[in-house]
Amino acid sequence: GIQVEQSPPDLILQEGANSTLRCNFSDSVNNLQWFHQNPWGQLINLFYIPSGTKQNGRLSATTVATERYSLLYISSSQTTDSGVYFCAVDLYSGAGSYQLTFGKGTKLSVIP
Amino acid sequence: NAGVTQTPKFRVLKTGQSMTLLCAQDMNHEYMYWYRQDPGMGLRLIHYSVGEGTTAKGEVPDGYNVSRLKKQNFLLGLESAAPSQTSVYFCASSYSLGRGTYNEQFFGPGTRLTVL
Repeated sequence: GIQVEQSPPDLILQEGANSTLRCNFSDSVNNLQWFHQNPWGQLINLFYIPSGTKQNGRLSATTVATERYSLLYISSSQTTDSGVYFCAVDLYSGAGSYQLTFGKGTKLSVIP
Repeated sequence: NAGVTQTPKFRVLKTGQSMTLLCAQDMNHEYMYWYRQDPGMGLRLIHYSVGEGTTAKGEVPDGYNVSRLKKQNFLLGLESAAPSQTSVYFCASSYSLGRGTYNEQFFGPGTRLTVL
């Protein structure tokens, strides 16, 4: 099956700092999503981004499908950004696979 | 819109007991999914459904059954719970774009299940 690797596994930031999270995947995909899981366990959709670049406030994401990676940028980090960030992909299949494969996540801690 | 809701939020079972988790969505999505999340890991797909009356196995289906009798509901059943099924269960739904592709998946708040 498709492999999804996220880096770094853990990240500690001072409030106000910027960061880049990376997601590498092993095959062509037709769906890629970034999620934030907050400390209460809720999964929050950040981006649906199988290719290209999107921005939403302090967050932006870029997926380079031909090189099989995606990046999530967090600027001016805040303590509320703490939690685990997951990348999830769906392997491209002409018949459709319907299955999101998740990476193991990047645990972000933003300290005041 | 409530989005995706799950019932119950928490449950404790004894080994061998059975239970059903309910997922409901009010977005008229065709596709629905059940995932489990174990500590320190991402989510893994248990079963999914591409429409009312249809279900299919995901990555980790053993020990679970599902049913989709109504488009808005997706039920996950544990017939004989085992401690290995202690996990957080997430339901999700998505809109079909046709030809086996779909838009982004939206997740419910999760159900925390403990099997003693």
